[in-house]
Amino acid sequence: QKEVEQDPGPLSVPEGAIVSLNCTYSNSAFQYFMWYRQYSRKGPELLMYTYSSGNKEDGRFTAQVDKSSKYISLFIRDSQPSDSATYLCAMSGGGSYIPTFGRGTSLIVHP
Amino acid sequence: GAVVSQHPSWVICKSGTSVKIECRSLDFQATTMFWYRQFPKQSLMLMATSNEGSKATYEQGVEKDKFLINHASLTLSTLTVTSAHPEDSSFYICSGSRREGPGELFFGEGSRLTVL
Repeated sequence: QKEVEQDPGPLSVPEGAIVSLNCTYSNSAFQYFMWYRQYSRKGPELLMYTYSSGNKEDGRFTAQVDKSSKYISLFIRDSQPSDSATYLCAMSGGGSYIPTFGRGTSLIVHP
Repeated sequence: GAVVSQHPSWVICKSGTSVKIECRSLDFQATTMFWYRQFPKQSLMLMATSNEGSKATYEQGVEKDKFLINHASLTLSTLTVTSAHPEDSSFYICSGSRREGPGELFFGEGSRLTVL
């Protein structure tokens, strides 16, 4: 079992839909959780950064962490074609500051 | 804030030559820098971690004599691919962390290397 599991997709949704992206993990020591957006042939861009459990909202993006279930989510409201990208989850903690990345989910928002 | 500049964004070189990629943190001091390699439709593969003024720590399977990493200052790290071969062709991305310890990483734009 990989330390971080993320469905590669692609996930295709119509414009305006609510998108749910998820990751599961096995290391209960993870405390820091991040979501990155990566456009084709570009470096990842940090979208959300959360510590421990709970929700965090930033504009159309909401990050949720459920440590009891070892499950994190990123919700995108009112999705736009410009949201089409690969979304990577990452997490760290437990004595290691080096983040572990999921393989990324490819999102396609069609007009 | 937290901008990382990486260049060149793409480079083509002949087999056997060396290529240097620069990574600069423009508005913060990167105590730690990470170098990643990414294959098409794959996730990021960590190559090495470097702290300013120290030797880089390489991940298992990464040849430290082939991929030379220098982190001479808190704002500059370089990756040199020595004696490049076609199998070294890939997308290389650097990232910086603002503090020692768990925290968000800020990535450069990436460098696409093609070795002929």
